[in-house]
Amino acid sequence: ILNVEQSPQSLHVQEGDSTNFTCSFPSSNFYALHWYRWETAKSPEALFVMTLNGDEKKKGRISATLNTKEGYSYLYIKGSQPEDSATYLCASLIIQGAQKLVFGQGTRLTINP
Amino acid sequence: DSGVTQTPKHLITATGQRVTLRCSPRSGDLSVYWYQQSLDQGLQFLIQYYNGEERAKGNILERFSAQQFPDLHSELNLSSLELGDSALYFCASSADPGLAGARYNEQFFGPGTRLTVL
Repeated sequence: ILNVEQSPQSLHVQEGDSTNFTCSFPSSNFYALHWYRWETAKSPEALFVMTLNGDEKKKGRISATLNTKEGYSYLYIKGSQPEDSATYLCASLIIQGAQKLVFGQGTRLTINP
Repeated sequence: DSGVTQTPKHLITATGQRVTLRCSPRSGDLSVYWYQQSLDQGLQFLIQYYNGEERAKGNILERFSAQQFPDLHSELNLSSLELGDSALYFCASSADPGLAGARYNEQFFGPGTRLTVL
């Protein structure tokens, strides 16, 4: 069974502060790691797809790093804004006959104004 | 807007009933995935179709079935519904992994169907 773990489960951050959270995944048979952003009442939206050890991706104030050897990825948000409030999901792409995304439970981020 | 559409948005039904959820993928996407998100659970993969054929199966109950039609839209059928089937059901689509830029299965999610079983 492939377990993708995210921590913390929820996080409250003051507007303007920076924050980060973790996604852990089995490092064996790694293929790719996805991050999605899921706002309330909307659908999950892809942020990053990461494949190489040491990868770092950035989109505005959000960035992510990847360590495939130890099986973790960090998502960073710099200078949090209220619109960053969402659940952030990571998913490990595995190959079991076909490609499958195995999702973590998510980190629910709330930015307090 | 991801380009993936799902209907209906909300569905309320009774235990023992049968419902059909519908999904239209993004234009050109051949793969359709169904996920279930229950309270306090992460997104659980149910099933994938690729160009009309079942490609992968996840934790899908025997009471649930799906199909993908020649026009690539997909339907998820849930029968003998139980209270525990109440959840948000998402459909996602992805481009052919053989296409440049689509190799790592980036998925585009629809708005979901919220199913309530009373």
